[in-house]
Amino acid sequence: EAGVTQSPTHLIKTRGQQATLRCSPISGHTSVYWYQQALGLGLQFLLWYDEGEERNRGNFPPRFSGRQFPNYSSELNVNALELEDSALYLCASRLTYKGYFGPGTRLTVL
Amino acid sequence: RKEVEQDPGPFNVPEGATVAFNCTYSNSASQSFFWYRQDCRKEPKLLMSVYSSGNEDGRFTAQLNRASQYISLLIRDSKLSDSATYLCVVTPGGGGADGLTFGKGTHLIIQP
Repeated sequence: EAGVTQSPTHLIKTRGQQATLRCSPISGHTSVYWYQQALGLGLQFLLWYDEGEERNRGNFPPRFSGRQFPNYSSELNVNALELEDSALYLCASRLTYKGYFGPGTRLTVL
Repeated sequence: RKEVEQDPGPFNVPEGATVAFNCTYSNSASQSFFWYRQDCRKEPKLLMSVYSSGNEDGRFTAQLNRASQYISLLIRDSKLSDSATYLCVVTPGGGGADGLTFGKGTHLIIQP
């Protein structure tokens, strides 16, 4: 069974640009979570989608947004990129209570 | 009080030793508990679930203490490959909040 996939693996942008990150959950999983992990820091919860709806969001500014598609894949958009947005962005999918992570997208903002 | 708290460490432990660390949680209605392992610059991977009666998986033992609201992870006969950051995860009752609340992680270093 395929695991959670994320693309791209690496993304380099400059300050002020916009970034789009994608996540495909494990087949049959309806919940998708997005986390930000800056270097040396813990996981910071960004967004939670379930059945196409945004269920909750973490303490991040509105320029962090996303959506979930009918096939349960998800997209995270970060507008007006700032240097401190450089981090590993992890997506996790969940069916019951266990969450499974994708390999992440490493975003670098120059 | 933070929702999930862990001692960040690092715990420096000689190979072959037994090491244990805890994770406390604030929501008494929390339903499910897990330990994840994260290697440097990699994604977290599910290590084991934590059941009320305690559970074991090889050298790893997980326990839940609902009265004191903490979970623990014990690693016996530690190996160099056990060096990693261990994250505890709590899911609140009713699927509320973000559904998966992570601790900041405990950094474990097994020394030869």
